Amino acid sequence: ETGVTQTPRHLVMGMTNKKSLKCEQHLGHNAMYWYKQSAKKPLELMFVYNFKEQTENNSVPSRFSPECPNSSHLFLHLHTLQPEDSALYLCASSQGLGRDEQYFGPGTRLTVT
Amino acid sequence: GNSVTQMEGPVTLSEEAFLTINCTYTATGYPSLFWYVQYPGEGLQLLLKATKADDKGSNKGFEATYRKETTSFHLEKGSVQVSDSAVYFCAPRGSGYSTLTFGKGTMLLVSP
Repeated sequence: ETGVTQTPRHLVMGMTNKKSLKCEQHLGHNAMYWYKQSAKKPLELMFVYNFKEQTENNSVPSRFSPECPNSSHLFLHLHTLQPEDSALYLCASSQGLGRDEQYFGPGTRLTVT
Repeated sequence: GNSVTQMEGPVTLSEEAFLTINCTYTATGYPSLFWYVQYPGEGLQLLLKATKADDKGSNKGFEATYRKETTSFHLEKGSVQVSDSAVYFCAPRGSGYSTLTFGKGTMLLVSP
């Protein structure tokens, strides 16, 4: 595998379910990001991690819980989501924080029913 | 905080037409400027960047010039191809360790 991979690519879940999104980067980067992409809205930065430490949380509801066990892996744990949380969730990584090009994964298309 | 305004899409062109996608921004300090592209079913890819005033970024026939006086970073291509159909995002990044700010994106549709 190369670049940034995300699993699953598609996910349908009910509002009472608990699920997790996984992101893995094979680039040796130190910073990782979660973004939310909704139709007709700007891409929203959710969380930023640098060397496994969270450095940014953009007022994301607690029903989204990130986890970064090491610099190569990033998870987004989901529970009791709302239909408006349906979106494409993109993971990205960069060599350093802020100063470098971000490499994006293909995203997970989430539908909350 | 940073912000970016892109022209509304979709932009519909015929193959070999000239493309301009406008982008204006506000950002703290001396921002770097980026254009990302998202092809259908994929994540975003860096298309080009410029890190200081008057710099011109270019890649795959696309160009954009960092205009500090007008706070703009318009994307241009002289002759588009069907394969250029995608969504294009302008993204400034403020100085220091600030992260990217993305616009809503502009969808480009190129027909044969």
